[in-house]
Parts: sequence; structure tokens; C-alpha cells
Amino acid sequence: GQQLNQSPQSMFIQEGEDVSMNCTSSSIFNTWLWYKQDPGEGPVLLIALYKAGELTSNGRLTAQFGITRKDSFLNISASIPSDVGIYFCADEGGGADGLTFGKGTHLIIQP
Amino acid sequence: KAGVTQTPRYLIKTRGQQVTLSCSPISGHRSVSWYQQTPGQGLQFLFEYFSETQRNKGNFPGRFSGRQFSNSRSEMNVSTLELGDSALYLCASSLVASGTTDTQYFGPGTRLTVL
Repeated sequence: GQQLNQSPQSMFIQEGEDVSMNCTSSSIFNTWLWYKQDPGEGPVLLIALYKAGELTSNGRLTAQFGITRKDSFLNISASIPSDVGIYFCADEGGGADGLTFGKGTHLIIQP
Repeated sequence: KAGVTQTPRYLIKTRGQQVTLSCSPISGHRSVSWYQQTPGQGLQFLFEYFSETQRNKGNFPGRFSGRQFSNSRSEMNVSTLELGDSALYLCASSLVASGTTDTQYFGPGTRLTVL
């Protein structure tokens, strides 16, 4: 089946720094979804991408759907303490097999 | 509008027992999907229900089952619990079935610990 590789696995950054993480797949995707999960909560959708080359922003977050349709990145500018959490990329699969998730990037912000 | 609710939030069981978890979707949503989250395997799709019918199932043994009621509420059941079933079980609801661009909204999950 599809595999999503997320990197880095974890990030330790200072408050105010910019963050960049990415996701690659072994096959072509029709969608890229970015979720964030806070401790003790379920994932929350941040950004959805549906077209190759698409660049979408949501406040301080920016995500892009790679031209090859096999990768996506998520950037967070000027990080703040509430950005701490696990960020997941996911794909809808285009069928009826639910979402396929990457293993996540743990973002830790040091004061 | 209330979000997806899951009960109970925490559960402790012993090996061999069975467990039933409940999920109430967002009002008006007809699709409910279940996922298992573990540190080792990450988030994995269990199954999806739409209009009281199971649409599809992930790669899990038959001990994992579910159902959906006419009000769209869903339950999942795990029989003969094993230690490896310890996980966060997440439910997600959406207006229509998966495979569309409709957003899935996740509940807070039920943390199951099997001793």
C-alpha cells in the first residue's frame, strides 16, 4: 500500500524560529492533508491540498503540493508555544480506505 | 455545533476481555471512521461506516468489529483483548463517505490500556 515518509521525526526549536517539515510518498497522490495533534486530543486538519503545485496558507502556516505529486511540505513561521504538537501528513487515497497517515513530526519549542 | 464525542475517554481492561467504544459524530454527519494510534505503528485505519453499512475495513483481525446506528452514532468492539491492542482509538466523522474531498473531524479518542 501507500507509504508516507515524514521528516524530520522531531524538531527542537526556539520560540520565534521558522519551521519546515516535509512528507514524501512512494506513489502519486491526489491530495495532501496536514493535521496537527495536541496531547490528549485527536488530529485537527490544518491545510488541505488538491492540485499539484498548489500553495496554500492558513495564518502562519503554509503548505505546498509538490509538482511531482509525490511530496509536500509544511512551513510554520515565527513559531509560538502553542505550535507544540505532532504534525501529520495524510492522504485520502482517492478511494474508500480511509486516510493514510505519515508517522508524524514532533515539534518541541524551547523557551 | 458540538464536535465529535467519544466515550469513555480512558479504559483499562485485562487480556481476554472484550471492550466496546462509542462515538457520536457531529450532528448531520453520516460517515464515521475509526483509527488506531500506537507509538510504533502510528495512525492506522480500522473501518468506516456510512448509513449503517461498513464501507471498508483496514488490515486488522476479525476481533475488531463495529456498527453504526440509524442516528449515525457508532460503536467499535474488540474481543479477546491482547496486550498489543493498547492504543488510542480515534473516531472521525464527515458529512459524506470517504474518497471525496470532505473533511474528516476527529474526536479526542479513547485511551485503551490492556493489562
